[in-house]
Amino acid sequence: AQSVSQHNHHVILSEAASLELGCNYSYGGTVNLFWYVQYPGQHLQLLLKYFSGDPLVKGIKGFEAEFIKSKFSFNLRKPSVQWSDTAEYFCAELKVGYQKVTFGTGTKLQVIP
Amino acid sequence: DGGITQSPKYLFRKEGQNVTLSCEQNLNHDAMYWYRQDPGQGLRLIYYSQIVNDFQKGDIAEGYSVSREKKESFPLTVTSAQKNPTAFYLCASSPRTVNNSPLHFGNGTRLTVT
Repeated sequence: AQSVSQHNHHVILSEAASLELGCNYSYGGTVNLFWYVQYPGQHLQLLLKYFSGDPLVKGIKGFEAEFIKSKFSFNLRKPSVQWSDTAEYFCAELKVGYQKVTFGTGTKLQVIP
Repeated sequence: DGGITQSPKYLFRKEGQNVTLSCEQNLNHDAMYWYRQDPGQGLRLIYYSQIVNDFQKGDIAEGYSVSREKKESFPLTVTSAQKNPTAFYLCASSPRTVNNSPLHFGNGTRLTVT
């Protein structure tokens, strides 16, 4: 079973629409959570990360994510998307105490001008 | 600038041949990782290494081998035993422990085996 689930495989939005990409993890212990982005033709970049503390984390380019432990979720949000946000987005989990980072299957976001 | 260099960007091989993908980092990171990326499957971990001369299998290590003789280098060999080697391969690194540290990625190598 996939330990990190991203339910939306392909999302199409118009510019200025709000975005929420789902991410659920299954590990019941302490986790670090990440969102990475891969723009067309570019390498993976870190958008934001959660280690501890405030469950609402803010990242680059206006993105944010909320860690909800009771729901095992770490959804990515942006209030108003731009055409330049067209990319593939990956959620990732690190089980604290282990050394592996496990990725979800990714969500392709297409923003239409 | 510090970073991770993967070479070559594109690689073509005939079936039955072993091929080695290069990954070099000048970030002074202890840990290095190899992932393969396939459409619709995200990134899957092949091998990882926390320190020089030590490495562990990831989730899909069969048909692959690695070495970690130097801190800066973590080459991946795709052997002829790998049943479906055509993929996009990503190398990553992180400081001494992954806890509380994100991965830094290279630009990847696209391997095509025919």
